[in-house]
Amino acid sequence: EIVLTQSPATLSLSPGERATLSCGASQSVSSSYLAWYQQKPGLAPRLLIYDASSRATGIPDRFSGSGSGTDFTLTISRLEPEDFAVYYCQQYGSSPVTFGQGTRLEIK
Amino acid sequence: EVQLVESGGGLVKPGGSLRLSCAASGFTFSSYSMNWVRQAPGKGLEWVSSISSSSSYIYYADSVKGRFTISRDNAKNSLYLQMNSLRAEDTAVYYCARGRTEGLDAFDIWGQGTMVTVSS
Repeated sequence: EIVLTQSPATLSLSPGERATLSCGASQSVSSSYLAWYQQKPGLAPRLLIYDASSRATGIPDRFSGSGSGTDFTLTISRLEPEDFAVYYCQQYGSSPVTFGQGTRLEIK
Repeated sequence: EVQLVESGGGLVKPGGSLRLSCAASGFTFSSYSMNWVRQAPGKGLEWVSSISSSSSYIYYADSVKGRFTISRDNAKNSLYLQMNSLRAEDTAVYYCARGRTEGLDAFDIWGQGTMVTVSS
């Protein structure tokens, strides 16, 4: 099983700032099959990034993903008020599919 | 509109059974893999099971293997999760989610979730 470790657990920033979220894998993720999701309270997750760096339909270009192998990053270039939420990474290159424990992005 | 709607959640006693359903609309259901993901209260996301578009490939998390069964009916645009021998630790919101392609892939469309509570 590939264990995903997200850091930091909580990130406190202000609107307009740049956010960098990390996801480390216990072993290499096959073909960079890594995704990022955003979840707001009481709502279902929303796909942001798939295949490590491809933006999902309708996702603003301030969201970008990078990385390969065991180290992946989600960057939000300029935070908007609606971006404060919990973010999860997920690998789907092999079964079992696994999620990271999440990073909470909160307003400073 | 592309939509997934889960149903079938509720309160069940430990050792009991429940069958969740997920009705899909707005897309060609038979062309996509489908998945179940759960989230215990206040916790993170946990993958439960995946099924390929033609049901050729089925995967389960170890935590539910032997107790849960995923299935789909492409003629009815529906996904199911039969849950047996339920335990308190199965208490969670259960989401169905569409895979981006016919096999294992990122989950691009999610339902609103259905709550399952296992308690005596």
